[in-house]
Amino acid sequence: SQTIHQWPATLVQPVGSPLSLECTVEGTSNPNLYWYRQAAGRGLQLLFYSVGIGQISSEVPQNLSASRPQDRQFILSSKKLLLSDSGFYLCAWSVTGIEAFFGQGTRLTVV
Amino acid sequence: AQKVTQAQTEISVVEKEDVTLDCVYETRDTTYYLFWYKQPPSGELVFLIRRNSFDEQNEISGRYSWNFQKSTSSFNFTITASQVVDSAVYFCALSELGRDDKIIFGKGTRLHILP
Repeated sequence: SQTIHQWPATLVQPVGSPLSLECTVEGTSNPNLYWYRQAAGRGLQLLFYSVGIGQISSEVPQNLSASRPQDRQFILSSKKLLLSDSGFYLCAWSVTGIEAFFGQGTRLTVV
Repeated sequence: AQKVTQAQTEISVVEKEDVTLDCVYETRDTTYYLFWYKQPPSGELVFLIRRNSFDEQNEISGRYSWNFQKSTSSFNFTITASQVVDSAVYFCALSELGRDDKIIFGKGTRLHILP
């Protein structure tokens, strides 16, 4: 069966520090991968999605970047965090856009 | 462009009442999927249902039912005889197959079931 792992679960980082969140999927090949952000406990905003290794589509201009170095690995990064980067970050995978399965999320607080 | 609107920000009902969560979508495609997800207080998103654009048959699963109407671009979710455990944020989502595989979510509806 397929599983998705996302870590860390919680993170407190100072403004200006770098960020690296990692997500890996097991039990499937060539999945679509997604990063979403949920601010203030509400709506899910699509940040990045990838349909293959090295293929990244950005939805929102921002202080973040994403990379997919391996088929089942998706990384969200920032060189310098802003206060506005605080939120709940969710990684998800799908097969060609047919329903997404989510990780448990990372709650990021930038202080 | 893809868009999902959940006009109800927050709903409160007393336990055992029925409640309907509204979802209206916009898409240029004729082939697409619609979804509902539940987000309990723990934060993890739980998949509830998928419906493709060629299947307008309504679905019932226990106390949950979904009404898909292409004529009004709506995909509403009804909980019958609500329970306190149904309290959560519910998200409606849309995916346009064959275009870019993005899955776009609405802003969610926070549902409070009062004992």
